[in-house]
Amino acid sequence: GQNIDQPTEMTATEGAIVQINCTYQTSGFNGLFWYQQHAGEAPTFLSYNVLDGLEEKGRFSSFLSRSKGYSYLLLKELQMKDSASYLCAVGRGSYIPTFGRGTSLIVHP
Amino acid sequence: AAGVIQSPRHLIKEKRETATLKCYPIPRHDTVYWYQQGPGQDPQFLISFYEKMQSDKGSIPDRFSAQQFSDYHSELNMSSLELGDSALYFCASSLGPRSGYTFGSGTRLTVV
Repeated sequence: GQNIDQPTEMTATEGAIVQINCTYQTSGFNGLFWYQQHAGEAPTFLSYNVLDGLEEKGRFSSFLSRSKGYSYLLLKELQMKDSASYLCAVGRGSYIPTFGRGTSLIVHP
Repeated sequence: AAGVIQSPRHLIKEKRETATLKCYPIPRHDTVYWYQQGPGQDPQFLISFYEKMQSDKGSIPDRFSAQQFSDYHSELNMSSLELGDSALYFCASSLGPRSGYTFGSGTRLTVV
């Protein structure tokens, strides 16, 4: 099985940087995904880490430490439209993402 | 670019009725996944297909079944619907984890 833990809610100011942490315990680890989901909409793929280290994609970066069962998503230059839920998902077995409860990020002016 | 198409977008059914949800994956994507997301919940994996064969099974109730057809579209059949089945049902397709899993817009099922 797997346990995926992330903060329920975070708030940040427009233009700032925010780091959303995710810890997990799982068997058959096959990488870690981050998704963004606006209310009532489909999750949107942000990143996939399978090796330790930081991967950067524009304003978003994702970090993985497999030995610590830890990942974070870093969002820079926050914009109002970044207000959404951010789902950490662990790939297991046939790379099927198993989602955590998500972190609701509120960006205010 | 083509995305994952799901139909219908919204569906209202009564208890004990049946429902069929359809998913059309992105062309050339060989794997389809079905997820159920209840209000305020994380998406729960139901079932997946690779090359028209069931590849993995998650928390799919016995009342539900699914299949993938020769044109790669997939259908989720739900019978004896219960109030607790009310949720967003997402379909996702993929060519592999590095390219990510692309989700459709979902079908919102309401059981009354």
